[in-house]
Amino acid sequence: EPEVTQTPSHQVTQMGQEVILRCVPISNHLYFYWYRQILGQKVEFLVSFYNNEISEKSEIFDDQFSVERPDGSNFTLKIRSTKLEDSAMYFCASSGPGQGRETQYFGPGTRLLVL
Amino acid sequence: AQKITQTQPGMFVQEKEAVTLDCTYDTSDPSYGLFWYKQPSSGEMIFLIYQGSYDEQNATEGRYSLNFQKARKSTNLVISASQLGDSAMYFCAMREGRGGGGSQGNLIFGKGTKLSVKP
Repeated sequence: EPEVTQTPSHQVTQMGQEVILRCVPISNHLYFYWYRQILGQKVEFLVSFYNNEISEKSEIFDDQFSVERPDGSNFTLKIRSTKLEDSAMYFCASSGPGQGRETQYFGPGTRLLVL
Repeated sequence: AQKITQTQPGMFVQEKEAVTLDCTYDTSDPSYGLFWYKQPSSGEMIFLIYQGSYDEQNATEGRYSLNFQKARKSTNLVISASQLGDSAMYFCAMREGRGGGGSQGNLIFGKGTKLSVKP
């Protein structure tokens, strides 16, 4: 069964460093998302991406965040200068097209720790 | 105001029994989707079941079913014949309408309910 994959599974970085989180969405999906979950809290939407551009973004997704689909398979989230409060689990998700396109399938997540 | 409310921070159920996890939502959009996800201790988010706002029948998926009461704005998850592997966090989520630029609409999550299945 096709699934969303994410790398790395864990990342530890120093405050102020740049990190890139990688995702490979399900191959025929057209809509891509990033969410984050701070430890013990609910999942929060960051950004959605369609047709090579951002569709929606939350207030969390400020100028230090960016997303890119550098090729036909990868979808990346870059945090330019990490802060302590960026420590969280980051989930990539994808959806569509066709029947069941409403459903967003999540990857296993990248656990980011900023020291 | 909370868009998704899960009032049960934790629930216990005996193995092989059924359990209902509550979820209420708040939206003025006539078109929306409701989802349940399971998050085991390993951290991944596993899609369980979906209900569209225009679906007249309650959704079912194996041992999972939804008690969708549109007028009450509730979509409770029923897990039948609980198994030890059902122990996890369960999140209710809603997609409101459709966003701009072709987006399917982002998901709004509740705070979750931690289900523990006792042997």
